Amino acid sequence: QVQLVESGGGLVKPGGSLRLSCAASGFTFSDYYMSWIRQAPGKGLEWVSYISSSGRTIYYADSVKGRFTISRDNAKNSLYLHMNSLRAEDTAVYYCAREVVVSATGLGFDSWGQGTLVTVSS
Amino acid sequence: DIQMTQSPTSLSTSVGDRVTITCRASQNINSYLNWYQEKPGKAPKLLIYATSNLQSGVPSRFSGSGSGTEFTLTISSLQPEDFATYYCQQSYNTPRTFGQGTKMEIK
Repeated sequence: QVQLVESGGGLVKPGGSLRLSCAASGFTFSDYYMSWIRQAPGKGLEWVSYISSSGRTIYYADSVKGRFTISRDNAKNSLYLHMNSLRAEDTAVYYCAREVVVSATGLGFDSWGQGTLVTVSS
Repeated sequence: DIQMTQSPTSLSTSVGDRVTITCRASQNINSYLNWYQEKPGKAPKLLIYATSNLQSGVPSRFSGSGSGTEFTLTISSLQPEDFATYYCQQSYNTPRTFGQGTKMEIK
C-alpha cells in the first residue's frame, strides 16, 4: 500500500535550519508530483511547495520563497525540504503529499504522510 | 493567487442530517476543486477530486457539485464518524490554495 513517512522535524531557534525527509513506498515514486503542506497549531492547511515527477518544475508559496528548497531523489524514493532562516511563523506540522497532475492541473492530494512537527522557538 | 472561501466555517449538526458546505473561488477554476476531511491528530483525507469524483473507499453519502467559481460538498445523512473539519482546495494552478475549513460539531 502507499506509504509516506516524514522525518526530520524538531525544535530549532529562529534563524536556524532544518531538513525534512519523506520516504515513499508502495507506488512508483518517479511518476508523481510531490508537495509539502503545513498546518500551524490550530490553523488550516497551507500548501508550501511542489516538485514535478522529474524534479524539473518547482514552485513555492510566497511565504517560504528564498528560504525553503524542495528536492527529490527518485532513486531513493525520497522527497526533501531544506528550510533555512526559520521564523516563529514556520512552526507547524509538515506533511508530504502525493498529487496526480495533468498539464499542470491537479486531481487532489490523494496520499499524505503522518506529518512531522517543526517548532521554531528560542 | 486564487482565494478559496468556505461557508459556513462552523456547523452544529446531528446524526442523520443532510449537510451542505459551500466553497467559492476568487476566479474561474473550471472543475479543479477537491474536498478533504481532517480529524484531530490525523492527516487530511481526500474525499472528492475534480468537483464530483468520489475517491476510492469514500462512502456514497458524500457528493460534490459545481463549476467555475462555486462548489458544494453534500453529506446526505451524517454519520458519527463524519464529525470532522472539511477543506476545499483548488488545483487549477499554483499556488495550490485551501479554504479556511468548516468544522462540523455535534449539536
